[in-house]
Amino acid sequence: GEDVEQSLFLSVREGDSSVINCTYTDSSSTYLYWYKQEPGAGLQLLTYIFSNMDMKQDQRLTVLLNKKDKHLSLRIADTQTGDSAIYFCAETRGGRRALTFGSGTRLQVQP
Amino acid sequence: DADVTQTPRNRITKTGKRIMLECSQTKGHDRMYWYRQDPGLGLRLIYYSFDVKDINKGEISDGYSVSRQAQAKFSLSLESAIPNQTALYFCATSGDARKTNTDTQYFGPGTRLTVL
Repeated sequence: GEDVEQSLFLSVREGDSSVINCTYTDSSSTYLYWYKQEPGAGLQLLTYIFSNMDMKQDQRLTVLLNKKDKHLSLRIADTQTGDSAIYFCAETRGGRRALTFGSGTRLQVQP
Repeated sequence: DADVTQTPRNRITKTGKRIMLECSQTKGHDRMYWYRQDPGLGLRLIYYSFDVKDINKGEISDGYSVSRQAQAKFSLSLESAIPNQTALYFCATSGDARKTNTDTQYFGPGTRLTVL
């Protein structure tokens, strides 16, 4: 079956770059997403990438997709304390399938 | 996202009670979803609905039922609550990917349910 895996925890210093990694198993994945969850809140879509793209940049966020290795990463430049949250990657093939989420990576930003 | 609302936001109940969690959306989306979140396990899909007459089980549907009362409303019921159903429950919506070109889901704020 489909599986999405992430490391559980990442700690960085304010101003550094953060890189959150995700691997998935479904080679038919069409859309891949990054969601952010702040404490006590729901999930907020950060960005998404189509499987025919290698990279997508959106302000401080850079998404890299290695389709051959089924590896997705999210880089946050100049990480701020407000970036502290849980980050989820998710994938789908579209059509009648729902999203499959990873277990989330807790990002802690130290001042 | 204020376009997706969930009620109640918090609920404490006892084992064996019937509980209903409600979700409403004003985004005009056809698709709605119910997830539960447990620490370290991420989000797991309980049920999803692609339109009013199309309801599907997710990976952990046992002990739950749903009702899609209208395009904008999707409720989740626990017929006889048990302690291991204590979790954070999220509703989400999405448009039809064939029309929107993406399966982006928009989440409600969550309902924290505690079963004693």
